[in-house]
Parts: sequence; C-alpha cells; structure tokens
Amino acid sequence: GQNIDQPTEMTATEGAIVQINCTYQTSGFNGLFWYQQHAGEAPTFLSYNVLDGLEEKGRFSSFLSRSKGYSYLLLKELQMKDSASYLCAVRARDSNYQLIWGAGTKLIIKP
Amino acid sequence: KAGVTQTPRYLIKTRGQQVTLSCSPISGHRSVSWYQQTPGQGLQFLFEYFSETQRNKGNFPGRFSGRQFSNSRSEMNVSTLELGDSALYLCASSLEAGGGADTQYFGPGTRLTVL
Repeated sequence: GQNIDQPTEMTATEGAIVQINCTYQTSGFNGLFWYQQHAGEAPTFLSYNVLDGLEEKGRFSSFLSRSKGYSYLLLKELQMKDSASYLCAVRARDSNYQLIWGAGTKLIIKP
Repeated sequence: KAGVTQTPRYLIKTRGQQVTLSCSPISGHRSVSWYQQTPGQGLQFLFEYFSETQRNKGNFPGRFSGRQFSNSRSEMNVSTLELGDSALYLCASSLEAGGGADTQYFGPGTRLTVL
C-alpha cells in the first residue's frame, strides 16, 4: 500500500529558513504536490514535482528524489504568515492516480 | 475565473438526520473530489467524480454517497448522521482525472457539526 510520512510539527524563527520533509512509499509514482493550509481554511496549491531536482518559486522551493522516495519543501525568509500546516500528497498508479495525502506538518513561526 | 464554491459553509444537524453538500467546480474543470478533514487528521479521501462517473472511492461506509451532474457540479450526501461525522468537508476540482500535473483546487469547505 501507499504510505506518506511528514513530521507532525516544526517550529522556526521569523526570517530564518525551514525544511519540511516528506517520505513516501508507492508503486508507479506519478507526481508529488505540496499544499499550504492555514487554520480553518482550505488547502492552497504550492508546488508540483515529478522529476528529480529542485523547483523554485520565490521564497518556496520543493525538491524531489524519486529513487529515495523523498521530497522536501524549503521556506526561506520566514514570515509570520507562513504559520500554517503543509501537506504533502503523492499521485501513483497503485492508487489509481488518486492523490494520497500525508497528515501534514504544522509549522509555527516565532518572532 | 471564479474559484471552487461550496454550500452551505456551515451546517448543524442532529444524529440520525441526513445532509447534502454542494460543490461547484472552477469553470472548465471536469473532475471533482471530496475529502473529510477532522482535527489532527489528514485529508481523508471520500470519492472522485469525472464526467458524471465515480472514478475512485475511499474507505467510507455506504452512508456517504455522491453524484456529479452534467455541468460538473457535484453533491455529496451523508445519511443517518453520527457524531463522528462532524468534520470539515472539502471539495476540490481539477481539469481532468487521471494523473500527471493535474492540480486540485479546493473550495472553502463545509463545516458540519452533528449534535
């Protein structure tokens, strides 16, 4: 079956850099997504990776290693508004291409 | 372009009742997925519809059902409500079902409270 693991909670300081990891086990990998979800709100799309390497989008970057079943989301120049949960989701053939979601990482930013 | 809309936004029901939630996808999107989210839990997949057909189904009891109309709008129904059904129900739309970079965009959700 499929399995996605993320740390439950992380704390970082405003202005710093934080890396949120996601590991997965699937068969027939077909892409990995990162979403941001503020408390009480809907998830919003951040990034998509299907090939190995780093995708950069402003302060946010996402990395993928398919051979290791590993991804990370890198947030730079942290701002208080980055306090949110970050969800990792994987699409794979063995789930009939439906997205399988991790439980999310709650990121707390301190001044 | 308008985003995904869900109605109602908040709902209070009592045990044993039934409820219908509605989702209108982004214009041009043909796939709609439904999720349940409870505090401390990740997104639990309910079902996915594409072109009025249920394409995937999660591990929820038969009390949870859904459908999609020809205009891609979707509804989900929960019958014989239980206290444990209290949750945020999220709808997400995408251009098409089936993989690749097809990105899901979420509506604001319906918060259901069962008393």
